[in-house]
Amino acid sequence: QKEVEQDPGPLSVPEGAIVSLNCTYSNSAFQYFMWYRQYSRKGPELLMYTYSSGNKEDGRFTAQVDKSSKYISLFIRDSQPSDSATYLCAMKDNQGGKLIFGQGTELSVKP
Amino acid sequence: GAVVSQHPSWVICKSGTSVKIECRSLDFQATTMFWYRQFPKQSLMLMATSNEGSKATYEQGVEKDKFLINHASLTLSTLTVTSAHPEDSSFYICSASGGGTGPQETQYFGPGTRLLVL
Repeated sequence: QKEVEQDPGPLSVPEGAIVSLNCTYSNSAFQYFMWYRQYSRKGPELLMYTYSSGNKEDGRFTAQVDKSSKYISLFIRDSQPSDSATYLCAMKDNQGGKLIFGQGTELSVKP
Repeated sequence: GAVVSQHPSWVICKSGTSVKIECRSLDFQATTMFWYRQFPKQSLMLMATSNEGSKATYEQGVEKDKFLINHASLTLSTLTVTSAHPEDSSFYICSASGGGTGPQETQYFGPGTRLLVL
């Protein structure tokens, strides 16, 4: 079993839809949770960064962490064609260990 | 802030040659830099962790003699693919911690370097 599981998609939605992206993990030591967005042939760009459980909102993006269920989510409201990219969840423990990435979900927002 | 650059953005080389890729943190000092490899439609695979002034720590299965990493300053790390072969063709991405220390520091990624070995 992988430490981090993420549905690879692809996920296709119409413009304006609410998108839900999810990851599950098995290591209860993970404390820091991140979402990265990666456009084709580009490096990942940090979108959201959350410590421990809870919600964090930034514009159209909301990140949720439920440590009891070992489940994290990224919600995108009013999705735009420019949101079409691969979204990677990543996490690490509080020992400063390496980032563990999910497989990435490919999202396509159709105009 | 937190900008990481890579050079070159793409490179084509003949089999058997060596290729050097540079990773720079432009607006912060990065004690730690990381090198990843990514195949099409796959996630990032960590190759090695590089700390300024010390030897890099390689992940299991990564040949340290083939992928030479140097982190000579707080803003520059280099990856040299020695005697490259077609199977080394991939997208190489570096990242740097956000200028501080401790587990709360996150990583900022460069734009990647696409290597094609003929």
